[in-house]
Amino acid sequence: QKEVEQNSGPLSVPEGAIASLNCTYSDRGSQSFFWYRQYSGKSPELIMFIYSNGDKEDGRFTAQLNKASQYVSLLIRDSQPSDSATYLCAAGTYKYIFGTGTRLKVLA
Amino acid sequence: DTGVSQDPRHKITKRGQNVTFRCDPISEHNRLYWYRQTLGQGPEFLTYFQNEAQLEKSRLLSDRFSAERPKGSFSTLEIQRTEQGDSAMYLCASSLGQGVDEQYFGPGTRLTVT
Repeated sequence: QKEVEQNSGPLSVPEGAIASLNCTYSDRGSQSFFWYRQYSGKSPELIMFIYSNGDKEDGRFTAQLNKASQYVSLLIRDSQPSDSATYLCAAGTYKYIFGTGTRLKVLA
Repeated sequence: DTGVSQDPRHKITKRGQNVTFRCDPISEHNRLYWYRQTLGQGPEFLTYFQNEAQLEKSRLLSDRFSAERPKGSFSTLEIQRTEQGDSAMYLCASSLGQGVDEQYFGPGTRLTVT
């Protein structure tokens, strides 16, 4: 059974702080890894993807991948109340397995 | 460039009725995926198409579910003899089908079976 595990949260951080979201995956054959943001009642929105070990930065977001540890993370710098949402991690090749998401609350 | 669109956005139906949903992918995208999402869960893969060919179908998908993509453009997902357990958000996503192959989701169709 291929799985992607995330802590459901909620993860509460004050405005302006760094939010750190984590994810582990079981399928060592996974080649691509994604972070989606999902607001309540809306569909997932792609915010980051990564496929090589190391860090990838895009604005306030940094994705980190460690294939040896089967671990993916997302850092959100200067967190804003508008970042409050559920963050979904996905892993796979052409077919992606999603975690259940981590709910992030950014407190003003 | 328009994104993925889905129709209808909401559907309420009675148990035992058939329902059909439509998805229009991003125009140059070759791959189209259907997912189902229930409250508190991540999207669950149902099936996917490469152009008009349906290449994989989840074993979780019962025979009451069928999907088509007749001309390699839009796709339909039909659920026959709906059950209350079918109530969920049905999400469509599309991708180029190459490289990292990031998937972009449509707004979803929320199905409620009463």
